[in-house]
Parts: sequence; structure tokens; C-alpha cells
Amino acid sequence: EAGVAQSPRYKIIEKRQSVAFWCNPISGHATLYWYQQILGQGPKLLIQFQNNGVVDDSQLPKDRFSAERLKGVDSTLKIQPAKLEDSAVYLCASSQGQTSVKLFFGSGTQLSVL
Amino acid sequence: EDQVTQSPEALRLQEGESSSLNCSYTVSGLRGLFWYRQDPGKGPEFLFTLYSAGEEKEKERLKATLTKKESFLHITAPKPEDSATYLCAVQAKGGSYIPTFGRGTSLIVHP
Repeated sequence: EAGVAQSPRYKIIEKRQSVAFWCNPISGHATLYWYQQILGQGPKLLIQFQNNGVVDDSQLPKDRFSAERLKGVDSTLKIQPAKLEDSAVYLCASSQGQTSVKLFFGSGTQLSVL
Repeated sequence: EDQVTQSPEALRLQEGESSSLNCSYTVSGLRGLFWYRQDPGKGPEFLFTLYSAGEEKEKERLKATLTKKESFLHITAPKPEDSATYLCAVQAKGGSYIPTFGRGTSLIVHP
């Protein structure tokens, strides 16, 4: 069974530039999550999708972050413009359903904002 | 607001030296508590789910237990390959069922 795929693996940008991350969840998984993990901290939820609809985006900084999940499969997370404090690992996870107890994570995209 | 506190932040053990990691939580109503393992440069990998006080789960050298206020991850006779960050997360009843993660415990096992 293929796992959660994310790209790129690493990204280095300057502040005020824009960046996009891509995620392909496990086939058949209806629920998709984007988490932000700052060095030394646990993952913090940014947004949760159920199929192509947003369930929770209460912690997404909407003035600079946006996310979409077209057709209920792949998802992209965008930051525009980036700030120094956005330096983190961006993790995508998927699960079979909204109430699933088991999340499957990708390896993440490590973002450095200079 | 759901809160998860893990201790210690970091733990160094000698191979074979058993120990425990702690996860204390505050949640309005616990639906489930999860343990994940995270290796450097990788995403978290699911280990266990616990639902009610008194429940225990085991996997190889790891055993997770749950009380009404905290969970322990016991590591018996650890090996260097057990070195990783161990994350605890809680899922509250009702709402969006989104897991809230703690900061994790970084475990290093020396040969």
C-alpha cells in the first residue's frame, strides 16, 4: 500500500516570497490534514478536509495561508507571503474518515524562510 | 482547550535500561489517546490507541497504559533502534475529532 506522498522534500525561500506544497493521500482516504511542526514542538493542525470540503481551518493564518483539495484527492497548501516564523516542517496526513483514530503521515516538507 | 504535556522533554538511556515516558492531558471528554513514533526527517508513525482508564496495549518492547489523567509509555530493555521522538495526542469527544499533539519526548538509547 502506497503511503502519503509529499513534495517537495525541502524548500528554501526568502521572506515575502510565495511557496506551495503538494500532498497525495493514501488511496480511498476521505480525510486529509495539514499540520505545521516547528522544531522541538509537536504537530499543530492547520486545516482538515473531508473529501473536498473544509472541516476545520480555525488555526490557519488565512491572511497568508491557503489550501485546497480539488476533487477530494490531492491537496496543495500555499503560503504567500512567507515570514521568517513560517520556517517549519509541513506534514500532510490522511485517514479513512473524520472519526478515524489512526492518521497516516507523509515525510513532510521542510521549509526554511531566510 | 485540550492540553497535552509530555515529560521528560529528552531522555538518554543505556541499551537494556528500562524507563517510562509520561503524557498528561486535559480534555473535556476523552475519546482516545494516541502514541506515535517520529524518526528524524520522517512523519509520525502510529503506535497505539487507548480509549479508557486501565487499558493497556503492547508492541514489542513498548507498553502503553492509560489513567484518567495521564498515559505512560513503558520501554522495556530498549535497543538503539528505539531511539526516536515519541508523541502523544488526544482526541476529544464531540467536535471535529482532531487530535491535539504534545511536544514529544526525544529518546536516545546508547549501545
